Amino acid sequence: DAGVIQSPRHEVTEMGQEVTLRCKPISGHNSLFWYRQTMMRGLELLIYFNNNVPIDDSGMPEDRFSAKMPNASFSTLKIQPSEPRDSAVYFCASSPLAGWGNEQFFGPGTRLTVL
Amino acid sequence: KNEVEQSPQNLTAQEGEFITINCSYSVGISALHWLQQHPGGGIVSLFMLSSGKKKHGRLIATINIQEKHSSLHITASHPRDSAVYICAVGPGSARQLTFGSGTQLTVLP
Repeated sequence: DAGVIQSPRHEVTEMGQEVTLRCKPISGHNSLFWYRQTMMRGLELLIYFNNNVPIDDSGMPEDRFSAKMPNASFSTLKIQPSEPRDSAVYFCASSPLAGWGNEQFFGPGTRLTVL
Repeated sequence: KNEVEQSPQNLTAQEGEFITINCSYSVGISALHWLQQHPGGGIVSLFMLSSGKKKHGRLIATINIQEKHSSLHITASHPRDSAVYICAVGPGSARQLTFGSGTQLTVLP
């Protein structure tokens, strides 16, 4: 299996632009997680899905952030409009079982820079 | 929100040494994860614990629910173990999920 695939690997954009990050989970996994990592705040869980349904989005920082999972093999995290403080590495992870309390497999991350 | 403290923040060891990294948290949890972040940034989930002890190869993770404490042990450490080790504790919701600040481990040959 190719593991969790994220694209793009690097994104540089200007403040105010819309940014879309993409994730393909491991085939057959039922849960998908979006994380953000910064030097200041460390790792944070933004949202997770179970069977394509958003279960908990309480970690999403504000309305500029939205996440979707239209099917079992694809998810997006969108930031609109982007701001410099959104600069971070965004990780997607998937798990074969429901919920956060199970082994997760992480993608390589997308490094976002907002100028 | 749960407070999570990891110790030590930085650890340098010689190849072959036994290593212990600690994680303490302040409130009850449903699960605790140990993560390994490689120098290139990639993250690997090492263990998920809700009680007791787990072992995988040279890695052993323990958790004491009453004392709100977990330890990650590495036996016969190797330079390829050099990474940041992060514990994360969850009582339930994403907003309540708390990550430790990480322990930077360097194993010298």
